[in-house]
Amino acid sequence: AQTVTQSQPEMSVQEAETVTLSCTYDTSESDYYLFWYKQPPSRQMILVIRQEAYKQQNATENRFSVNFQKAAKSFSLKISDSQLGDAAMYFCAYRLLFTGTASKLTFGTGTRLQVTL
Amino acid sequence: DTGVSQDPRHKITKRGQNVTFRCDPISEHNRLYWYRQTLGQGPEFLTYFQNEAQLEKSRLLSDRFSAERPKGSFSTLEIQRTEQGDSAMYLCASSLRDRDTDTQYFGPGTRLTVL
Repeated sequence: AQTVTQSQPEMSVQEAETVTLSCTYDTSESDYYLFWYKQPPSRQMILVIRQEAYKQQNATENRFSVNFQKAAKSFSLKISDSQLGDAAMYFCAYRLLFTGTASKLTFGTGTRLQVTL
Repeated sequence: DTGVSQDPRHKITKRGQNVTFRCDPISEHNRLYWYRQTLGQGPEFLTYFQNEAQLEKSRLLSDRFSAERPKGSFSTLEIQRTEQGDSAMYLCASSLRDRDTDTQYFGPGTRLTVL
């Protein structure tokens, strides 16, 4: 069974600074997707960034980028130029590569990010 | 596109009562998922539908839980004889089966409190 581990329950960053959230996962599969989702307080979960395991290039979305280390099974999220609106719970998630049947997301326990002035 | 919607947003019930939640997916999405999220945890998969067919159920989905998607559009999740351990946020997500990533988009959730 696949597992996702987020070892940082809480992180804090000052506005305009950079922060990195860690995620490790365990799988015996070679083809899969990794995701970071953001869940603001009392608001719905939204997709931040997505990484295909077969791509060596790290994904980037504006101020968000990942460091994907397939051999180490590590998938960290870097947020640059942090903004107050980045404060939220961040979840790392894993899914098998789409093979014609749907596949569930397996989530970590989340990292709560605080952004201070 | 109005996104995934869920109703109600909050539900308080007494132990032993039945409750039903509704999820309306993004209109063109043919896949619909239910997850449960307890305090301090990440969401856990419960079940999913492709069109009207329920294709996978988690072991978390006990006999007291039943989900339907009768016309391949909205879905309902019913919990019979609720227990205090059922208190959680119930999340619905939808996706479009295509050659891309099948990315799941989440609704705001229904928070259930069982007294």
